[in-house]
Amino acid sequence: EPEVTQTPSHQVTQMGQEVILRCVPISNHLYFYWYRQILGQKVEFLVSFYNNEISEKSEIFDDQFSVERPDGSNFTLKIRSTKLEDSAMYFCASKNDRVSGPLHFGNGTRLTVT
Amino acid sequence: AQSVTQPDIHITVSEGASLELRCNYSYGATPYLFWYVQSPGQGLQLLLKYFSGDTLVQGIKGFEAEFKRSQSSFNLRKPSVHWSDAAEYFCAVALEGSSNTGKLIFGQGTTLQVKP
Repeated sequence: EPEVTQTPSHQVTQMGQEVILRCVPISNHLYFYWYRQILGQKVEFLVSFYNNEISEKSEIFDDQFSVERPDGSNFTLKIRSTKLEDSAMYFCASKNDRVSGPLHFGNGTRLTVT
Repeated sequence: AQSVTQPDIHITVSEGASLELRCNYSYGATPYLFWYVQSPGQGLQLLLKYFSGDTLVQGIKGFEAEFKRSQSSFNLRKPSVHWSDAAEYFCAVALEGSSNTGKLIFGQGTTLQVKP
């Protein structure tokens, strides 16, 4: 069964550094998402992306965050200057249908900011 | 504010026993409803979803869930739990009629432990 793949599985970075989290969505999917889960808290929506642009973003997704689909397969989340509170598990997800298609999640990248 | 509540943070059941995980939502309209499962080191896997129609929905791995509009609930059930069901379970909703049904609101999650 096709999968959403995320790399790396664990990223450690120093505060103030830029990080890029990478995702390869399922190949025929058109809608892409990033979620995050801070330890002990709920999974939270960050951003959705369709047709090479952001379709919706949450309050969390401020100017420090950006997303890109640099080629036909990758979908990246960049954090420009990481803060301690950015430490979380980041999940990429994709779906092929705007309404009824299920959301497929990757295994996540655990980001630790020191 | 829109919210999803899973009242039980941690549940322990014996293998072979029945299971019910609770989920309540707070919305003005009928949402789309989902249950996801997350095993350690894994991503979120969809167990089942409710969009419309029959309020009792069947999912993978022998799970089912029932939508009760009057109670704003979408509880997950399984008649006989297996040790491999030990995982974290998340209830999630998306707004009906939303143009972005990939934007999910998640509950806190319920950790299921299975005793031999």
